[in-house]
Amino acid sequence: GAVVSQHPSRVICKSGTSVKIECRSLDFQATTMFWYRQFPKKSLMLMATSNEGSKATYEQGVEKDKFLINHASLTLSTLTVTSAHPEDSSFYICSAPSPGTSGMDTQYFGPGTRLTVL
Amino acid sequence: GNSVTQMEGPVTLSEEAFLTINCTYTATGYPSLFWYVQYPGEGLQLLLKATKADDKGSNKGFEATYRKETTSFHLEKGSVQVSDSAVYFCALSGGSARQLTFGSGTQLTVLP
Repeated sequence: GAVVSQHPSRVICKSGTSVKIECRSLDFQATTMFWYRQFPKKSLMLMATSNEGSKATYEQGVEKDKFLINHASLTLSTLTVTSAHPEDSSFYICSAPSPGTSGMDTQYFGPGTRLTVL
Repeated sequence: GNSVTQMEGPVTLSEEAFLTINCTYTATGYPSLFWYVQYPGEGLQLLLKATKADDKGSNKGFEATYRKETTSFHLEKGSVQVSDSAVYFCALSGGSARQLTFGSGTQLTVLP
């Protein structure tokens, strides 16, 4: 089946630094990818929709300047957490819709990236 | 807006026990309903889905029936195995929303 990878799987950084997380679709092309954030014992919260060749669409309440999204190619989307602070510590997950589906119902998920900001 | 409520865990069962994880939803229109599973260290995987009322999704011995009258999509398995230990997420997609709306997840641990 389709595979989505994320890198790194975990990262620890100092407050004030920026961190980039990569999401790759390994064996299919994805014009759209989704970025989620998951808090402990909480649901996945959709942050933004990454669109290849155009600007990302952010959900209400998500800071565009803090969470920079770039969909550089049909197989790569990156999320950069700028000037990270401890409250940005979380589990970040990306997903891409399965090939051939209309709409975005069935998605393949990456394994997630654990970000810890000290 | 759309929302999904699923039973809180953690749930601990003995091998071969019967499993039910409750899930109810609120949505406009006619959503599609899903159960995703997340095994330790892995990404979410689609377990099963149902796209219209009274549909039954099934996979790997798990089943869930789309009940429009009760707005529910409860996950069941007649005999769980240790390998079923994972976090299970109920989700919906539909109406004007293209993305998935998730429940909070239920941690299942099956003991030998």
